[in-house]
Amino acid sequence: GAGVSQSPSNKVTEKGKDVELRCDPISGHTALYWYRQSLGQGLEFLIYFQGNSAPDKSGLPSDRFSAERTGGSVSTLTIQRTQQEDSAVYLCASSPVVGDNSPLHFGNGTRLTVT
Amino acid sequence: DQQVKQNSPSLSVQEGRISILNCDYTNSMFDYFLWYKKYPAEGPTFLISISSIKDKNEDGRFTVFLNKSAKHLSLHIVPSQPGDSAVYFCAVGNTGKLIFGQGTTLQVKP
Repeated sequence: GAGVSQSPSNKVTEKGKDVELRCDPISGHTALYWYRQSLGQGLEFLIYFQGNSAPDKSGLPSDRFSAERTGGSVSTLTIQRTQQEDSAVYLCASSPVVGDNSPLHFGNGTRLTVT
Repeated sequence: DQQVKQNSPSLSVQEGRISILNCDYTNSMFDYFLWYKKYPAEGPTFLISISSIKDKNEDGRFTVFLNKSAKHLSLHIVPSQPGDSAVYFCAVGNTGKLIFGQGTTLQVKP
């Protein structure tokens, strides 16, 4: 079946602009996660959703970052007033349920470049 | 403060030999541990996992070892193959989210 789909695959934006990143999880997966990987760094947790609610937003770097999920499916990550340090690969993942023993299925990511 | 550390950024191994990737963690409350593999321009893919009640889990050429007293996790790949060349991330389960290490780039030379 279809995996996790992310769009766009690449995004170049000017500093100060807003961007929206989209994630389509695997159908039926209730848990959805956002991570980012900056150049030379590991995967940094941003936020996760259980259904449409976000029990843990602790990884969002600043109030310029927000995310929502509607209908228990598609999620969007919005970055307002982008800064150069926001440049990274933003990865979305889903799993059937929230739980430590439920492996995450990742999309291929959105590479964001802020110029 | 990093809760999960992979201290070796890179590892080079000859084809057919064993690859050993290491991971250390700080919180003894973590109870689930995973390894992911990542190729360039792709998302990470799940490789193998282990729960805290075990000290070893094996799946084909891949074996994960857990030493809880040392808070140390390792992944053994034997025999290593050129197609195993990728970035390997360890991850620990913590209240619904996974915390990842920085990754180790494995190169398997033919």
